[in-house]
Amino acid sequence: AQSVTQLDSQVPVFEEAPVELRCNYSSSVSVYLFWYVQYPNQGLQLLLKYLSGSTLVESINGFEAEFNKSQTSFHLRKPSVHISDTAEYFCAVSDQGAGGTSYGKLTFGQGTILTVHP
Amino acid sequence: DGGITQSPKYLFRKEGQNVTLSCEQNLNHDAMYWYRQDPGQGLRLIYYSQIVNDFQKGDIAEGYSVSREKKESFPLTVTSAQKNPTAFYLCASTSGRTFTDTQYFGPGTRLTVL
Repeated sequence: AQSVTQLDSQVPVFEEAPVELRCNYSSSVSVYLFWYVQYPNQGLQLLLKYLSGSTLVESINGFEAEFNKSQTSFHLRKPSVHISDTAEYFCAVSDQGAGGTSYGKLTFGQGTILTVHP
Repeated sequence: DGGITQSPKYLFRKEGQNVTLSCEQNLNHDAMYWYRQDPGQGLRLIYYSQIVNDFQKGDIAEGYSVSREKKESFPLTVTSAQKNPTAFYLCASTSGRTFTDTQYFGPGTRLTVL
């Protein structure tokens, strides 16, 4: 079984400051990793994902995450945040089930609420 | 525009009543999913369906039921057997059936049981 732990439930920061949202996972097999973002009273949107290749993945709005296999982590970072980045962020993992039978099933972390203050 | 619609946005029901949440997608996606979201607990999978007329239990299926009679529709019924039904419910879909696919989410339905 796989699990995901987001180490911080809330992260307050000031505008233009850097931020890191931490995510650790556990799984007995190779995994795929995702970050989703949820704005208030909305559904989730994919921010970025790691499937293979370069361990550093980037989103179009300046976020990046690095897959660290030895530390089983996939932390999300942004060098300078904006007010509009205020949202809840979810880390998720999908494992390579036997015979590839996961069918897109994701295990989500508990979420981290990022609040950007002016 | 293609997407997922969920209705209604807010739903109030009395304890002991069954209620059905709607989820429709026009993305021509094969797989559809229902999640429950509670504060501080992330999303938990209730049911999922990979193809029409087939669905599987997720991690917290007790007290819920689903059907998949059409590719574009995946309604969820919250029955009176669900002990704590008040939550935010999210429907999602993926184009394929593999674990690399991006999940597309609807806007959610907030259910409150009085």
